Amino acid sequence: GQQVMQIPQYQHVQEGEDFTTYCNSSTTLSNIQWYKQRPGGHPVFLIQLVKSGEVKKQKRLTFQFGEAKKNSSLHITATQTTDVGTYFCAGITGGGNKLTFGTGTQLKVEL
Amino acid sequence: DSGVTQTPKHLITATGQRVTLRCSPRSGDLSVYWYQQSLDQGLQFLIQYYNGEERAKGNILERFSAQQFPDLHSELNLSSLELGDSALYFCASSVAKANSPLHFGNGTRLTVT
Repeated sequence: GQQVMQIPQYQHVQEGEDFTTYCNSSTTLSNIQWYKQRPGGHPVFLIQLVKSGEVKKQKRLTFQFGEAKKNSSLHITATQTTDVGTYFCAGITGGGNKLTFGTGTQLKVEL
Repeated sequence: DSGVTQTPKHLITATGQRVTLRCSPRSGDLSVYWYQQSLDQGLQFLIQYYNGEERAKGNILERFSAQQFPDLHSELNLSSLELGDSALYFCASSVAKANSPLHFGNGTRLTVT
């Protein structure tokens, strides 16, 4: 079945350092969504990418969708303590219906 | 506040029992999704309904069932509960069948003892 893996599983950074999480699918995705889940909270939608090679920015966050639509990345510049949480990608294969979430990357930011 | 309401917030029950989790989607949303999240684990897709009909099914156990009612609220029924069913169950809603953002509820924490 469709698998969506994310690396790394965990990341500790010092405040001010950059952070990147990578999302890889075994099959082509029709689109990719990114969510953030704070500790003890629920996932919150961040963004959706649809086009091959698409890049979108939200303040310090940069999202990319791969040319082959099988991978994506989220890059955070100059992390802050408010960035703490688990970041999930999610996607649907081209011909399927199931919105599958990636395995997630847990980010911890230390002062 | 996402606008998605889940009840109850917490549920503690014994093995072998049956429970019902309830979800009211955001106003205007026609799709309801159910996800299971075990401790420090990812989000496992269970099932999706769109406007009352089942649209997609994940690795949902046969002991689990769900439905979406005409008023669009949804219920997830878990029966013959096992210790391993202890998890956080999230409901999410979206406006369309697919390719639209999901809005998650706060979840129901199920503990099976």
